[in-house]
Amino acid sequence: GAVVSQHPSRVICKSGTSVKIECRSLDFQATTMFWYRQFPKQSLMLMATSNEGSKATYEQGVEKDKFLINHASLTLSTLTVTSAHPEDSSFYICSARESDSAIYGYTFGSGTRLTVV
Amino acid sequence: GQNIDQPTEMTATEGAIVQINCTYQTSGFNGLFWYQQHAGEAPTFLSYNVLDGLEEKGRFSSFLSRSKGYSYLLLKELQMKDSASYLCAVRVHGSSNTGKLIFGQGTTLQVKP
Repeated sequence: GAVVSQHPSRVICKSGTSVKIECRSLDFQATTMFWYRQFPKQSLMLMATSNEGSKATYEQGVEKDKFLINHASLTLSTLTVTSAHPEDSSFYICSARESDSAIYGYTFGSGTRLTVV
Repeated sequence: GQNIDQPTEMTATEGAIVQINCTYQTSGFNGLFWYQQHAGEAPTFLSYNVLDGLEEKGRFSSFLSRSKGYSYLLLKELQMKDSASYLCAVRVHGSSNTGKLIFGQGTTLQVKP
């Protein structure tokens, strides 16, 4: 079945630095990728939707200059948390989709636990 | 706006049946998904409903009523390993007609011996 690889699984960074998270579709071409954030004991909050080769669409309240999303190829999307602060500490999960007609085709990565100290 | 409601927590006994409800009010509807998520892991797909009625898949069943904005996930013959969070998600149209999933807050199910 479809597999999405997300790296790193865990990262600890100092406040003020930037962190890049990668999401790769291993055996299919992901025309669309989604980035979610999940705080402890809460559900997944959609941050942005990215289509290959175009700018990401951010959800209301998500700072596009802070959370930079690049979807340069059909198999790779990256999320960069710039100037990270402790409040950005969270579980970040990507989801990739081959096409809009793929009914079940929301494949999730394994997530990245970000801790900003 | 988008609003998806689920109970926060539920407790059930091993071997029993449990029903997790989900109500939604969304701008647009293009299917409802149920996912299981263990702590610190990615969600795994359980079921999908786009038409009214019941979808059965082994020990798991999911029901949808679009007119009522209501769904439930039914888990039978509960096992200890079913202790997890269960997420209800509605697919709505995003930009460029891309379907995006909006998640409810999740229901944490604890199965007791």
